Amino acid sequence: EDQVTQSPEALRLQEGESSSLNCSYTVSGLRGLFWYRQDPGKGPEFLFTLYSAGEEKEKERLKATLTKKESFLHITAPKPEDSATYLCAVQASGNNRLAFGKGNQVVVIP
Amino acid sequence: DGGITQSPKYLFRKEGQNVTLSCEQNLNHDAMYWYRQDPGQGLRLIYYSQIVNDFQKGDIAEGYSVSREKKESFPLTVTSAQKNPTAFYLCASSGSGTVQETQYFGPGTRLLVL
Repeated sequence: EDQVTQSPEALRLQEGESSSLNCSYTVSGLRGLFWYRQDPGKGPEFLFTLYSAGEEKEKERLKATLTKKESFLHITAPKPEDSATYLCAVQASGNNRLAFGKGNQVVVIP
Repeated sequence: DGGITQSPKYLFRKEGQNVTLSCEQNLNHDAMYWYRQDPGQGLRLIYYSQIVNDFQKGDIAEGYSVSREKKESFPLTVTSAQKNPTAFYLCASSGSGTVQETQYFGPGTRLLVL
């Protein structure tokens, strides 16, 4: 069974204080790893897809990296508008289904 | 604008009542999905459909039903057999092929029990 564990569950950052979120996974053949951002009461917003170990993708203050066992979402010099829950999901080979972690809730304090 | 719409935003269910949540997409995606989100839990898959007139059960299908008569539409019915329906329901869609399988989500419907 595919499993995704995200840590820490919750994180409070001062504005400008860089940090990283972890997504550990076990999957029978990784087809893709996905990061989403979710604001309260809204649907998840797609951020990145990573396909193979060593791959990195960036968008504004966010950078996602991937190894064979985990992915990191680095938040550089965060601003209050980066406050959200970040969701990680994996897709196994030969399968359209996603397995989600419980999310990392990030609060950035001005 | 292309996207996924869900309605209503809030839905109230009485005891013993079936209710239907709407999901429509104009992204020309083949696959559509329904997830349930509860506080402190990850998204759980209820049903999914990879093509019109075909769908499969996800991990928590009991008490739910779906139909896929049109490519654009994938309604979810929460039946009276679902004893704990209070949750945030999310619909998603994706294309086919390796680079198009990213799932995109709608804004969600919050279901509350009266």
